[in-house]
Amino acid sequence: NAGVTQTPKFRVLKTGQSMTLLCAQDMNHEYMYWYRQDPGMGLRLIHYSVGEGTTAKGEVPDGYNVSRLKKQNFLLGLESAAPSQTSVYFCASSYRRMVDTEAFFGQGTRLTVV
Amino acid sequence: AQSVTQLGSHVSVSEGALVLLRCNYSSSVPPYLFWYVQYPNQGLQLLLKYTSAATLVKGINGFEAEFKKSETSFHLTKPSAHMSDAAEYFCAVSDQEGAQKLVFGQGTRLTINP
Repeated sequence: NAGVTQTPKFRVLKTGQSMTLLCAQDMNHEYMYWYRQDPGMGLRLIHYSVGEGTTAKGEVPDGYNVSRLKKQNFLLGLESAAPSQTSVYFCASSYRRMVDTEAFFGQGTRLTVV
Repeated sequence: AQSVTQLGSHVSVSEGALVLLRCNYSSSVPPYLFWYVQYPNQGLQLLLKYTSAATLVKGINGFEAEFKKSETSFHLTKPSAHMSDAAEYFCAVSDQEGAQKLVFGQGTRLTINP
């Protein structure tokens, strides 16, 4: 049972490049989330999904897009990377709302945009 | 909007000493409150949560937190610190919009001195 797996774990991008972060969970969870973690700011929600085929904006969605074509996968895309998107990105999933059931987090993706 | 304030970005205690990590929240309605822990190079893990059943909540690894409505606080404590408690701790509150997601505090890094 792998839980929540994020791919890749590390990446360096040049400004303007694009990339996709993959989050995969094998727990049949309905809810999935993408957070970014920056020093002194805790975790901020980028986008989330309450089920296959659905997505919603979080606190800091600008510059990111997401897709949830399959229940087990939640993709986070950066169309044109900017240095301000240098961060550690965490994916999480939960069976129901985060307030009702435990959320499980991946190990994170450390992204540097130069 | 809901918000969480963690007092002290860094806390250092000696092994065997009391651990106290402070969290204050702003909420106009009774919230759900959580503490998550992040060990080095790992994702977040649920430590405990308050859902109005009892004001004193016990979590894993000997941690507990007390909900004080009059003080809008949810401080985390452990009577005797262990070296393995060294980690970053996040307080979180449910958002008001249908409680679909959590709003995290800035985090407190706990260091244990031998």
